Amino acid sequence: AQKVTQAQTEISVVEKEDVTLDCVYETRDTTYYLFWYKQPPSGELVFLIRRNSFDEQNEISGRYSWNFQKSTSSFNFTITASQVVDSAVYFCALSEGSGGGADGLTFGKGTHLIIQP
Amino acid sequence: SQTIHQWPATLVQPVGSPLSLECTVEGTSNPNLYWYRQAAGRGLQLLFYSIGIDQISSEVPQNLSASRPQDRQFILSSKKLLLSDSGFYLCAWMGYGANVLTFGAGSRLTVL
Repeated sequence: AQKVTQAQTEISVVEKEDVTLDCVYETRDTTYYLFWYKQPPSGELVFLIRRNSFDEQNEISGRYSWNFQKSTSSFNFTITASQVVDSAVYFCALSEGSGGGADGLTFGKGTHLIIQP
Repeated sequence: SQTIHQWPATLVQPVGSPLSLECTVEGTSNPNLYWYRQAAGRGLQLLFYSIGIDQISSEVPQNLSASRPQDRQFILSSKKLLLSDSGFYLCAWMGYGANVLTFGAGSRLTVL
């Protein structure tokens, strides 16, 4: 069965600090997809990134970067030079199989990130 | 462009009353549709998903039900709400082969 673990329930840092959100996943499939979503206080989930199991290249998008390591089943998310607007709950998610998640994604419990000014 | 609408945004209902949350998607056809629930401290739980009209798969047995009477309409219902049904309900859609879930703004349900 698939499982996503976000061990950090809440993280609080001061603005401009770097912060890493951890995500560890479990799956028996060799083909799977990993995701990160952001949930600001408004509640709507915003898609940030998707990574398939065959692509272990790290990705950088502005201040955001993602480190995918199959050897440790981890897909960690780093925010560089954090800003108050980054305050949100961040979810890591997994879908198994080449079908790409037609039967939905499995989400972790989320990490509440608080950026203090 | 595709958009997803979900309503009502907020709902306060007494125990034992019925529930109807509605979700519609515009700008696409034959989407996969999903209902998730977010309870405090428990992350996102998949409740139902649908790959087509009248095709509903239930992930968690409970007193909730879902229906898809039209291609781009997904409804979450209950005949009698329980206190434990309180939470934040999110509708989402996925295009064929797209592999990314796009969420609605959510409906916050409080059962008293």
